[in-house]
Amino acid sequence: DAKTTQPNSMESNEEEPVHLPCNHSTISGTDYIHWYRQLPSQGPEYVIHGLTSNVNNRMASLAIAEDRKSSTLILHRATLRDAAVYYCILRIFGNEKLTFGTGTRLTIIP
Amino acid sequence: AAGVIQSPRHLIKEKRETATLKCYPIPRHDTVYWYQQGPGQDPQFLISFYEKMQSDKGSIPDRFSAQQFSDYHSELNMSSLELGDSALYFCASTPGPVPGGELFFGEGSRLTVL
Repeated sequence: DAKTTQPNSMESNEEEPVHLPCNHSTISGTDYIHWYRQLPSQGPEYVIHGLTSNVNNRMASLAIAEDRKSSTLILHRATLRDAAVYYCILRIFGNEKLTFGTGTRLTIIP
Repeated sequence: AAGVIQSPRHLIKEKRETATLKCYPIPRHDTVYWYQQGPGQDPQFLISFYEKMQSDKGSIPDRFSAQQFSDYHSELNMSSLELGDSALYFCASTPGPVPGGELFFGEGSRLTVL
């Protein structure tokens, strides 16, 4: 499976935007970029996904580099409830499982 | 909206015993995935089913087996339990192997092996 690289941890102040980076230099043309997050003692939760174009939903935005070798998850206004481990995952077309790597532990400072 | 239901939520077993975890997917979801998450670790894919057939297999020990039933619920059977099997076990479901689609996860079953 293609690999992703994320910072181990990040901190952000409450009510400020957060930009979570992800590198995926070995991505192939049919790999979808997925983001999930996991709050303490809960199951992973879908955040957003994209293929080539930037994407927005009620939770976040996903900015995908033109060469697709990196992406950034944007939380527009972080709240304490956004404190979680965020996983950037490449989902291979035709192989639907998610392979979790080491995500980014996001801490929100009140 | 209905979510993925897992039972039991907590389970305590002794070494060498057997445990069964159950997963009830969201209605009309026919694809189920099982994940294991040890303490301080990231979720690891175990096995998946699509339309009651095994569709993919990950790092699932031979002591573990799983199946998906006609009503699409799935059960993970674990035998000869070891201390290292203590973990959170998550089930996820999707409405078929939709390329790029979202996986819906349950809240997990916490297995403690003593």
